[in-house]
Amino acid sequence: GAVVSQHPSRVICKSGTSVKIECRSLDFQATTMFWYRQFPKQSLMLMATSNEGSKATYEQGVEKDKFLINHASLTLSTLTVTSAHPEDSSFYICSAELGGYTEAFFGQGTRLTVV
Amino acid sequence: DAKTTQPPSMDCAEGRAANLPCNHSTISGNEYVYWYRQIHSQGPQYIIHGLKNNETNEMASLIITEDRKSSTLILPHATLRDTAVYYCIVRAASNTGKLIFGQGTTLQVKP
Repeated sequence: GAVVSQHPSRVICKSGTSVKIECRSLDFQATTMFWYRQFPKQSLMLMATSNEGSKATYEQGVEKDKFLINHASLTLSTLTVTSAHPEDSSFYICSAELGGYTEAFFGQGTRLTVV
Repeated sequence: DAKTTQPPSMDCAEGRAANLPCNHSTISGNEYVYWYRQIHSQGPQYIIHGLKNNETNEMASLIITEDRKSSTLILPHATLRDTAVYYCIVRAASNTGKLIFGQGTTLQVKP
């Protein structure tokens, strides 16, 4: 199946700094990617839909100025957590949809720890 | 997309079949039933999906009731590596990648 890769897999940053997470589709072009967040012992929560060449669509309650999403190419979407705080510590997961497939393909996730 | 209900946890003996139920009583005619699983600290993995017919692939079988209000995911010979959280998701065909995850079922396969 198609491969989606996230980088980094783990990151620790200081409170107040920004951190960027990359999501790449390795062997296909993804016009749409999705970002999820997962807190410990909880389910995945959809944060935003990332569309290539246009602004991301954020779910209700997600701060668009805090979670900056850029989808500048058909193979790369980035999520930047700005001015990170300890409560932003979470597991961030991206997925991509591929035309002609009915299932979504997920990255391996990024564990963010803000200290 | 329709809401789903799953038991929070289940146990299964290694080598036995694992049968994971899912209720989706408000499913509409154009909505598919999808199953994904998430092994600890990894991204979700697609397992199988179906509309109204039973489906089988190399990983699992999906049995959908005739009224489509419930389904069962069957792992025919569970192994320890099948220990994971299993998510049943109902979505319309037009919402290909946008998935709304419920709490899922934590399957513990025991030796």
